[in-house]
Amino acid sequence: GAVVSQHPSRVICKSGTSVKIECRSLDFQATTMFWYRQFPKQSLMLMATSNEGSKATYEQGVEKDKFLINHASLTLSTLTVTSAHPEDSSFYICSARDAGAYGYTFGSGTRLTVV
Amino acid sequence: AQSVTQPDIHITVSEGASLELRCNYSYGATPYLFWYVQSPGQGLQLLLKYFSGDTLVQGIKGFEAEFKRSQSSFNLRKPSVHWSDAAEYFCAVGASGGSYIPTFGRGTSLIVHP
Repeated sequence: GAVVSQHPSRVICKSGTSVKIECRSLDFQATTMFWYRQFPKQSLMLMATSNEGSKATYEQGVEKDKFLINHASLTLSTLTVTSAHPEDSSFYICSARDAGAYGYTFGSGTRLTVV
Repeated sequence: AQSVTQPDIHITVSEGASLELRCNYSYGATPYLFWYVQSPGQGLQLLLKYFSGDTLVQGIKGFEAEFKRSQSSFNLRKPSVHWSDAAEYFCAVGASGGSYIPTFGRGTSLIVHP
């Protein structure tokens, strides 16, 4: 079945630094990937839609300059949290649509802690 | 816009007992419906989905869900719960037109007592 690999699974960084999270579709091509943020004991909130070869589409209220998304190939999307602050600490999950399976496959998530 | 309501924040069942997790959706047309399971610190795994056809959908791990249009519901069921089923369960709805990006409910935490 469709597999989405997300890396790293955990990262701790200092305030003011930037962190890059990678999301790869391993056995299918994903022209569109999605980035979600999940706060403790809460649901997933869609942050942005990542489109291969073009600019990402951000949801209302999401700072595009803070959360940089790049989708350079059909199998890789990256989310960079720039100038991270403690309030950016969260669980970030990516997802890709597998057209063949008519569903969305999720990565295993990245726990970001900013200290 | 579509929305999902999962009225139960927590559900506690004994191992071996039956389970039903409730999900109600709001969408103007026939929706695409999903149930996902999330173990602590992990991503989401698709249990089952409904797009069309038979309203009783079978999924993985012995789960099933029934789409009831008249009640705008898509409840998840399992006849006998195992301790390993303890996790967070999310219901999601996607618009039937376009890319049906899922909108998630807040989740229901399943606790299984031995």
